[in-house]
Amino acid sequence: DEQLLESGGGLVQPGGSLRLSCEASGFTFSRYAMTWVRQAPGKGLEWVSSTVDLGDRTFHANSVKGRFTISRDNSKSTLYLQMNSLRVEDTAVYYCAKEVSSSWSVWGQGTTVTVSS
Amino acid sequence: QSALTQPASVSGSPGQSITISCTGTSSDVGSHGLVSWYQQHPGKAPKLMIYEASKRPSGVSRRFSGSKSGNTASLTISGLQAEDEADYYCCSYAGTTTVLKWVFGGGTRLTVL
Repeated sequence: DEQLLESGGGLVQPGGSLRLSCEASGFTFSRYAMTWVRQAPGKGLEWVSSTVDLGDRTFHANSVKGRFTISRDNSKSTLYLQMNSLRVEDTAVYYCAKEVSSSWSVWGQGTTVTVSS
Repeated sequence: QSALTQPASVSGSPGQSITISCTGTSSDVGSHGLVSWYQQHPGKAPKLMIYEASKRPSGVSRRFSGSKSGNTASLTISGLQAEDEADYYCCSYAGTTTVLKWVFGGGTRLTVL
């Protein structure tokens, strides 16, 4: 059974940093591109960042470019999102997802990030 | 403001069919056949219902179907059931061969009357 398990969320002050992790199981992690998608409270889904299977190419939404960095460790089947210079508007549930055919077939349960003073 | 436009809400009675539209531009929906649809129940993670505009993943009911024409994609749910009540999001690939990027619609709340 393919599964993704996020961790690392929490409460942080504006300007602070957090690193999210997403541990994969049940599939060959190194063969798939992976993505982070977020959802602010009561709002819709927003694509945040993606990385290809080898991790040598990464892409970020304009809203997080220069502040967030996606990375992966294929030896640990784990995806990361380093979030720096956090803003109140980054408050959201962050989901990691496995990409297949430019869509996301497996999602984690999400981890909540709250940016507040 | 979301990149793709969906109606905020739709409703239907059990057994009926409904269609949710998703309108984009020639840079996303219109230039790629890479539209996907996600169902999300309250407090749960999204679930993939349709990919590549009209393909259904294994395990998804045949009552769900997708289509695309020009800059607009559509999700149709036939034989509405109470369990279909949820939020539905469309998503389109909007990148190039070298830059990955996706855009979502604002979501549609489906109410089963």
